[in-house]
Amino acid sequence: DAGITQSPRHKVTETGTPVTLRCHQTENHRYMYWYRQDPGHGLRLIHYSYGVKDTDKGEVSDGYSVSRSKTEDFLLTLESATSSQTSVYFCAISVTGADYGYTFGSGTRLTVV
Amino acid sequence: EDQVTQSPEALRLQEGESSSLNCSYTVSGLRGLFWYRQDPGKGPEFLFTLYSAGEEKEKERLKATLTKKESFLHITAPKPEDSATYLCAVQAGNNDMRFGAGTRLTVKP
Repeated sequence: DAGITQSPRHKVTETGTPVTLRCHQTENHRYMYWYRQDPGHGLRLIHYSYGVKDTDKGEVSDGYSVSRSKTEDFLLTLESATSSQTSVYFCAISVTGADYGYTFGSGTRLTVV
Repeated sequence: EDQVTQSPEALRLQEGESSSLNCSYTVSGLRGLFWYRQDPGKGPEFLFTLYSAGEEKEKERLKATLTKKESFLHITAPKPEDSATYLCAVQAGNNDMRFGAGTRLTVKP
């Protein structure tokens, strides 16, 4: 998890409330990603960013939005949380052109009740 | 559509009992196949990248191999500390990384 911090680590929220998860990196990497991980589905890409204010949708983007106003911070927002968004959320960074895959944060466990 | 299927879902081994995990994939324009290890409550940790059929990489008791349709993660004489979930992922020409659901490995002493 070197260089990536996710906050909060755990959160319980009520259906219909907005929730923002934060990913902070200290390594100045251009590419950042948000994934969710659910049993039987593996990791699925929600949104990704390829630079400040440059973002794009992933496989499961419905109900989520992102923002990246600084290189080091990538925010994931659930505008109106639903029970189907109960999951573990991981942020990742990649070093373009390097043989290192992605580096992941420790995750945020979100429960929507 | 790109797909990654890992088998088995779960595997229980005795310490020292060698075995293999499978990752089958269909992808348009493979750029790389990745193996990760994930411990409970933590994010995945990168292990290997394979780029072309016939390629092999090793790290301690782990060896990853790649064919045109699948990859194997061979575990030789595993120890209890090798217990984890192992994830496979493929990166296609559009740079998207698609993950399998993982194999949960338990090694009993």
